[in-house]
Amino acid sequence: SQTIHQWPATLVQPVGSPLSLECTVEGTSNPNLYWYRQAAGRGLQLLFYSVGIGQISSEVPQNLSASRPQDRQFILSSKKLLLSDSGFYLCAWSPKGWSKNIQYFGAGTRLSVL
Amino acid sequence: QKEVEQNSGPLSVPEGAIASLNCTYSDRGSQSFFWYRQYSGKSPELIMFIYSNGDKEDGRFTAQLNKASQYVSLLIRDSQPSDSATYLCAVNAAGGTSYGKLTFGQGTILTVHP
Repeated sequence: SQTIHQWPATLVQPVGSPLSLECTVEGTSNPNLYWYRQAAGRGLQLLFYSVGIGQISSEVPQNLSASRPQDRQFILSSKKLLLSDSGFYLCAWSPKGWSKNIQYFGAGTRLSVL
Repeated sequence: QKEVEQNSGPLSVPEGAIASLNCTYSDRGSQSFFWYRQYSGKSPELIMFIYSNGDKEDGRFTAQLNKASQYVSLLIRDSQPSDSATYLCAVNAAGGTSYGKLTFGQGTILTVHP
């Protein structure tokens, strides 16, 4: 069976510090991968998606970047965090082809920028 | 801008009643529709998906889709306090280059009181 791992679960960072959140998927190959952010009491905002190694598409201009160095690894980064980067960050994966876009989420990382 | 609209609630129903959650979407070409449940502080969990017009039942849950009206709903029969959560409606982005992207509604908060 497939599983998705995200870490850390909780992170408190000062403004201006760097960020690196990691997500890995097990039990599948060549998945589509996604990073979302959810502000308190709000819906999910798609930040980045990737259809393969080194292929990253950005949905909104922001202070963040993403990379996919390996098939099942997706990394969200920032060089200097802003207060507005606080939120709940979710990684998701989707199998290609017949699945018709079903996405499965990791447990999430709650980021507080102070 | 493709949109998915949900009533934010909160929707409050007594235990044992039917909870009805509604969602409308703007992209007429969408083909896949999903309902996720999100408990407070947790990540979204897929509970239902539907691709064809009509009803789809899974246990106490029924998803209903009407593509002509661009409307999808979720019925929860015999509601339990454990059903209290935020329910997110998600719709795929139509088009061959959509890469499995989903657009999420803001979510409806459901409270089931004993």
